[in-house]
Amino acid sequence: GEDVEQSLFLSVREGDSSVINCTYTDSSSTYLYWYKQEPGAGLQLLTYIFSNMDMKQDQRLTVLLNKKDKHLSLRIADTQTGDSAIYFCAEQEGGATNKLIFGTGTLLAVQP
Amino acid sequence: EADIYQTPRYLVIGTGKKITLECSQTMGHDKMYWYQQDPGMELHLIHYSYGVNSTEKGDLSSESTVSRIRTEHFPLTLESARPSHTSQYLCASSDQGFEQYFGPGTRLTVT
Repeated sequence: GEDVEQSLFLSVREGDSSVINCTYTDSSSTYLYWYKQEPGAGLQLLTYIFSNMDMKQDQRLTVLLNKKDKHLSLRIADTQTGDSAIYFCAEQEGGATNKLIFGTGTLLAVQP
Repeated sequence: EADIYQTPRYLVIGTGKKITLECSQTMGHDKMYWYQQDPGMELHLIHYSYGVNSTEKGDLSSESTVSRIRTEHFPLTLESARPSHTSQYLCASSDQGFEQYFGPGTRLTVT
């Protein structure tokens, strides 16, 4: 079945760039997503990329997609303490359900 | 901003009790979902619905049940709560597009 994997923890200093990596298995996924979860809250969609794109930039966020290696990354420029959260990548299953397969989540800790 | 609500936000209950976790959305979305999130952070889909009177089991087997009598309402019920049901439960909805909007979650503790 589909499997989405991420490293569990990343620590960076404020002002540095953060890069969170994700690997997925379903080559038929049409959309891939990055969600952010702050403590005690639900998930918030940060950005997404369509499977025929290689890169998408949205303000401080850059998403890179390597379809050959099934590798997705999220780069956060000028990381702030408010960026501290858990980041989930997700792939969308093919078909009409809009079902998402989530990664294990990466806890980003930003040190002041 | 997404209008999807979950109640209660926190629930501590004894073993054997029947509980219902509420989820409501005011966006008129057809598709709704329940996820279970373990303390280790990973989310697993346990139920979903295409629309009224449609419910399907998700990828993770769950002893809970759901119903979808109205578009805006997708409650999840546990007939007899057990400590193994302790988890965070997240509800989400989506329309014909791709984005799933998440509620704030219910943190359930069964003692």
